[in-house]
Parts: sequence; structure tokens; C-alpha cells
Amino acid sequence: KAGVTQTPRYLIKTRGQQVTLSCSPISGHRSVSWYQQTPGQGLQFLFEYFSETQRNKGNFPGRFSGRQFSNSRSEMNVSTLELGDSALYLCASSLRTSGLAGEQYFGPGTRLTVT
Amino acid sequence: AQSVTQLDSQVPVFEEAPVELRCNYSSSVSVYLFWYVQYPNQGLQLLLKYLSGSTLVKGINGFEAEFNKSQTSFHLRKPSVHISDTAEYFCALRTGNQFYFGTGTSLTVIP
Repeated sequence: KAGVTQTPRYLIKTRGQQVTLSCSPISGHRSVSWYQQTPGQGLQFLFEYFSETQRNKGNFPGRFSGRQFSNSRSEMNVSTLELGDSALYLCASSLRTSGLAGEQYFGPGTRLTVT
Repeated sequence: AQSVTQLDSQVPVFEEAPVELRCNYSSSVSVYLFWYVQYPNQGLQLLLKYLSGSTLVKGINGFEAEFNKSQTSFHLRKPSVHISDTAEYFCALRTGNQFYFGTGTSLTVIP
């Protein structure tokens, strides 16, 4: 079974630009979560999508948004990029069924550098 | 509020020595607990998980962890480490459908 895939793997953007990151979950997984990982803050939860609906949201400004498509693929968008947005963005998928404390399966991440 | 605290940011240990990575959590509701490992330039890989039942959980690569409800801890242990265990380790808890991660412990195995 293929794992979680994220594209692109590396990205360099300039302050003020916007960026879109993509995540394809494991086949059959309907939940996709996004995390920002930085050396200072560690892993911080951005949001979770399930069945095309945002179910949970972390404490990030509105510049960070996402969506999920009917095939469970998800995109994350960051507008008006700031230097502090430089980070590894991780996507994780899970089954998210009521009978399972489903663990999350992580993709390799997208390394975003803002200059 | 839920939180996870990893008490050591860096742990150096000699090859073939035992290691313990400490994790404490705070939650007012039932939790599920996880340990993940992250190798350089990669995503996180699940090492083991505690859902219920036996408090001693065995995972991949010879790691195990013990859930201690009274001390709200979930420490990770390995009796003999290898060079290949050098990585970042994250403790996480899940309540409902949200995960909370610790800040990570960098394990360095010294030859």
C-alpha cells in the first residue's frame, strides 16, 4: 500500500507570495491533518480535514487555509508569506473511525523556505 | 487542556547501552499515547502506541514503553541502542480526534 505523499518536497518562496502544498493520503484514509514543524516550536497542529470538511483547527492565523477533495487529497495554502513561515510542513492521514484510536501516518513533508 | 512534555531535548548514549526517553502528559480526559521517530529529512514513523490494556507496550526496532497513569508518564526504553537509532523522537497523545506532540528528544548514539 502506498504511503502518504506530499508535493513538492522543497519550495523556496519570497515574502508576500502565496504557496500551495499538496498531500495524498493512504488509500482508504479519509482524514488528513497538517502540521508545521520548526526547530523552536516543534510540531504544531494546523488543521484536520475529514470528508471534505475542516473538523479541527489549530491556533494559526487566517493566512493558513486548506481544503480536501472528494478523493481525500488535501491542499494547504499559505498567503502573504512571512519569513517565520519557513518550516517543514507535514501531512498525516488516518482512518479516523469511531472504533479505533487511529494512529496517523506521516508523509515526508514539504520544506518551505521563505526569503 | 492537553499537553505533552518531553523532559530531555537531547540524549547522548553509547552504542549498546540502554536508553530511556521521558514523556509526561497532561489531560483531563482519556488519552491514547504514541511514540514516533523522525530520521533526517523524513516524516514521522510510528514506533508504538498505547490504546488500552497492558501498560507495557512493545514497538518496532526493539523499543518499548510503559504507560503509568498515576504518574501521567509514557517513557520510551530500549535495552541496547544501535547507531541507526540516532534520530528525533516524539511523544504524542490523542484525545478525540486531535493530536498533541511533545517538542522532541534528539537521541544521539555514540560509537
